[in-house]
Amino acid sequence: DVKVTQSSRYLVKRTGEKVFLECVQDMDHENMFWYRQDPGLGLRLIYFSYDVKMKEKGDIPEGYSVSREKKERFSLILESASTNQTSMYLCASEGESGNTIYFGEGSWLTVV
Amino acid sequence: DAKTTQPPSMDCAEGRAANLPCNHSTISGNEYVYWYRQIHSQGPQYIIHGLKNNETNEMASLIITEDRKSSTLILPHATLRDTAVYYCIVRVVDTGNQFYFGTGTSLTVIP
Repeated sequence: DVKVTQSSRYLVKRTGEKVFLECVQDMDHENMFWYRQDPGLGLRLIYFSYDVKMKEKGDIPEGYSVSREKKERFSLILESASTNQTSMYLCASEGESGNTIYFGEGSWLTVV
Repeated sequence: DAKTTQPPSMDCAEGRAANLPCNHSTISGNEYVYWYRQIHSQGPQYIIHGLKNNETNEMASLIITEDRKSSTLILPHATLRDTAVYYCIVRVVDTGNQFYFGTGTSLTVIP
């Protein structure tokens, strides 16, 4: 089975802090994604990556950046956390076939 | 990608079949129908997908109408652990193409 692992399930950070959310997949998938999920808004795509060192903006990239130094790892970075970034963050990966994507368990971030 | 319409909530008795409908009247010929579910506080879980033929796996069955304008996800013997939000998504199978999750159907399995 595909395994997408998000390193932190629950985090509490202060406004202005730099936050790293780490995601690792074990299926040698090419594509990786970061979404955030908020009540009433569904899942919204922040960034995605087709390959190592490549990144593409999703629908809501403002306030975020990403890093893909290795194929299996995709990191989401909040350079200066703000309270409106309090949310559940979901990482996902997808193989070359574009058949389906698999999600991690999610990271609940609270910015105070 | 085509939009989907799902009822916001449904109940199902434990042990009975849960039939979750989805309308996708603007679906195009190369768009697949996908179903995911999300149990509270967890990431979405893939269930099944199909193009035009009915599909079955160990989790569920997917019935797609002949005109492909609607589909039904069937959980044959619902258990309490099937209580979740179920998302119907239509999408062109193309690497990197987004999955757009709507608000889904909140299924409650009742003992």
